[in-house]
Amino acid sequence: KAGVTQTPRYLIKTRGQQVTLSCSPISGHRSVSWYQQTPGQGLQFLFEYFSETQRNKGNFPGRFSGRQFSNSRSEMNVSTLELGDSALYLCASRGRVEDSPLHFGNGTRLTVT
Amino acid sequence: QKEVEQNSGPLSVPEGAIASLNCTYSDRGSQSFFWYRQYSGKSPELIMFIYSNGDKEDGRFTAQLNKASQYVSLLIRDSQPSDSATYLCAVENSGNTPLVFGKGTRLSVIA
Repeated sequence: KAGVTQTPRYLIKTRGQQVTLSCSPISGHRSVSWYQQTPGQGLQFLFEYFSETQRNKGNFPGRFSGRQFSNSRSEMNVSTLELGDSALYLCASRGRVEDSPLHFGNGTRLTVT
Repeated sequence: QKEVEQNSGPLSVPEGAIASLNCTYSDRGSQSFFWYRQYSGKSPELIMFIYSNGDKEDGRFTAQLNKASQYVSLLIRDSQPSDSATYLCAVENSGNTPLVFGKGTRLSVIA
């Protein structure tokens, strides 16, 4: 069974630009979550999608948005990039929503210059 | 604000020893508890999960949960240098709420 696939693996952008990250969950998984990981803050929850609907949202500004498609693939978008957005962005999927663990992709390393 | 606290480390143990990693959480309603391992430059990978009070063993790993004390731990027996990584504790209130992660404990196993 293929794991969670994230593209691209690395991105370099400049301040003010926008970026779109993509995530394909494990086949059959309908829940997709996004996390931002930085050395100082650790893993911080961005949002979760289930059946194309946003179920939960973390405490990030509106510049961070996401969506999920009917095939469960998900994208997240960050507009008007800031230097502080440099981070590892991790996507994770889960099978049954209740109790099941998250399975993470390899992440997208975003660098904003 | 739901919090998950871990000692950042580094925790250094000799090869073959038992490594003990601890985690406390603030939300008394938490139901599910997970341990992830993250090697430098890699993504987190699931090691174990535990839902009920007590111990759960899987090979060299044992997870221990005490809901009354709001405490969960991970024991690694016969530690190997390949166990050197950051260990993340994650806690969930219910299946409809997001996992909250601690900042992780860095473990170093010295050969």
